[in-house]
Amino acid sequence: DAEITQSPRHKITETGRQVTLACHQTWNHNNMFWYRQDLGHGLRLIHYSYGVQDTNKGEVSDGYSVSRSNTEDLPLTLESAASSQTSVYFCASSESESGGYTFGSGTRLTVV
Amino acid sequence: DAKTTQPNSMESNEEEPVHLPCNHSTISGTDYIHWYRQLPSQGPEYVIHGLTSNVNNRMASLAIAEDRKSSTLILHRATLRDAAVYYCIRDNAGKSTFGDGTTLTVKP
Repeated sequence: DAEITQSPRHKITETGRQVTLACHQTWNHNNMFWYRQDLGHGLRLIHYSYGVQDTNKGEVSDGYSVSRSNTEDLPLTLESAASSQTSVYFCASSESESGGYTFGSGTRLTVV
Repeated sequence: DAKTTQPNSMESNEEEPVHLPCNHSTISGTDYIHWYRQLPSQGPEYVIHGLTSNVNNRMASLAIAEDRKSSTLILHRATLRDAAVYYCIRDNAGKSTFGDGTTLTVKP
């Protein structure tokens, strides 16, 4: 069955370190997204991509970057981790611009 | 403001219908209305989405007001497994904004 997987599930890192969160989907979806969810709140869009070599900034993109070298993967990089980036990160994909989203199980990131 | 407005919490009895409201008064003509639900420690799960017409699927029904400024997610017979946080979002080609959602409690 097709799926969307995120790794790692949990990560603890130190302030100032570069961190990369992985997202891999086998749905062959063109559209992929990264969100963050702070405790007790909804999701906020970080970056998104409509296809290979395409990336766009979302609502809260400062301090984050993505790259899209193939259809399956959209890694999220925190250039210099800050405590304010402690959050749960969700990756999602969709078949079309008007379709529903399939979400991964999330990565819980703690910056100490 | 691109956010939607939902009640913080709602309660329902098991096997009764549930109507979850959402206000999106500033919606644009090309925004889709999506609903997702989220269980603790899990990613959001797609429920249903639509543009103008009412929509039905195996999980729920979506009723969209004629002026599109509000919508209602209908769970026809709530079960204990439907207890979750429900998010209504406006979506325009992936540029979506989630509010804080409605926490649905289902009582046996």
